[in-house]
Amino acid sequence: RKEVEQDPGPFNVPEGATVAFNCTYSNSASQSFFWYRQDCRKEPKLLMSVYSSGNEDGRFTAQLNRASQYISLLIRDSKLSDSATYLCVARSNSGYALNFGKGTSLLVTP
Amino acid sequence: EPEVTQTPSHQVTQMGQEVILRCVPISNHLYFYWYRQILGQKVEFLVSFYNNEISEKSEIFDDQFSVERPDGSNFTLKIRSTKLEDSAMYFCASSGQGGETQYFGPGTRLLVL
Repeated sequence: RKEVEQDPGPFNVPEGATVAFNCTYSNSASQSFFWYRQDCRKEPKLLMSVYSSGNEDGRFTAQLNRASQYISLLIRDSKLSDSATYLCVARSNSGYALNFGKGTSLLVTP
Repeated sequence: EPEVTQTPSHQVTQMGQEVILRCVPISNHLYFYWYRQILGQKVEFLVSFYNNEISEKSEIFDDQFSVERPDGSNFTLKIRSTKLEDSAMYFCASSGQGGETQYFGPGTRLLVL
């Protein structure tokens, strides 16, 4: 059973569009959640942490629903530079290992 | 901005050979990690290291793998006898404290022939 599941996409959207990614996690002991961004053949880079109260960073909004074990990422006003793979990540309270989803691919087109 | 560095960027080796992948974590960080990503697959945790010992490891991190911090700056991953299935991108990461953001290096792409 996969610990973190994401729709692989790809999501193809025009510039300026709003796009939403969803993620579910199976380990109820997971305590911390993140969205990382990975460009082709590059390292994962932290986009934002996800808090129960929801949090926003510019055009990016993340939400966490612990009851449903569901995490989301909303990107508003998409830019060409947003094209990347978005990785949903969970970490349990028993250690510091990050559990990655396989990622959702986004392509923003002119 | 401080960053994690890794060498080499690419490594090609023959099956059964030993490889050592090197990482220089961010200088004031205390926790170090290795992850791998097989082509087309998700990033997978291998091992975490703190205070000169392994603090956590995954099922992937078997007896063929070892980690070491040989001096104050380097953090290494050794694969004793490489297998074809060890071909992957290996990422080193570090964090200031255990629960803090993990910063990833650019990776070493390992190809086992």
